[in-house]
Amino acid sequence: QQQVKQSPQSLIVQKGGISIINCAYENTAFDYFPWYQQFPGKGPALLIAIRPDVSEKKEGRFTISFNKSAKQFSLHIMDSQPGDSATYFCAASKGDYKLSFGAGTTVTVRA
Amino acid sequence: SQTIHQWPATLVQPVGSPLSLECTVEGTSNPNLYWYRQAAGRGLQLLFYSVGIGQISSEVPQNLSASRPQDRQFILSSKKLLLSDSGFYLCACSKSETQYFGPGTRLLVL
Repeated sequence: QQQVKQSPQSLIVQKGGISIINCAYENTAFDYFPWYQQFPGKGPALLIAIRPDVSEKKEGRFTISFNKSAKQFSLHIMDSQPGDSATYFCAASKGDYKLSFGAGTTVTVRA
Repeated sequence: SQTIHQWPATLVQPVGSPLSLECTVEGTSNPNLYWYRQAAGRGLQLLFYSVGIGQISSEVPQNLSASRPQDRQFILSSKKLLLSDSGFYLCACSKSETQYFGPGTRLLVL
């Protein structure tokens, strides 16, 4: 049973547009929510992470929005660039240092 | 910061052959170590994790095993590979909630 549900499975966005990826979870014990970026043939790399006491965190063009009451969090990629084309994974942890991953979203940015 | 090495980068093995994938970590001590498998176009499945030498937890029953003979060495093994063992194998380490991944090993079982 997947503990973190991620959508959409894939998306296509024009250069300069906004990419939005959504994740939902059920386990209220989760207290750490990272996002990973993975390029083909490479290992995932940590992009940005958030804890439930913060509703939004921004790093450059990447923003996490967190809605604790809805048990949802999302990644926004502003001003999307062709170099952002990758697969993005959300994840959640409840302090046991094990991550539950979403299924991934493949983002394609068209020039 | 830590660096994770995995080898080999690519491996093609016949069904029924043994497997040994190695992961070593530099730049940290006593890390938690993880083995994940990623099927083509799919998410990450946690296979094993270890909190110390000789301590291995298995997440799913399968044809694979793991060992941690040294603090910063994690080995994934199989006695007889199955076709379904094909995939991209990733090693990760952590000292807190944040996990850092290695470059991965692509395994093709024919």
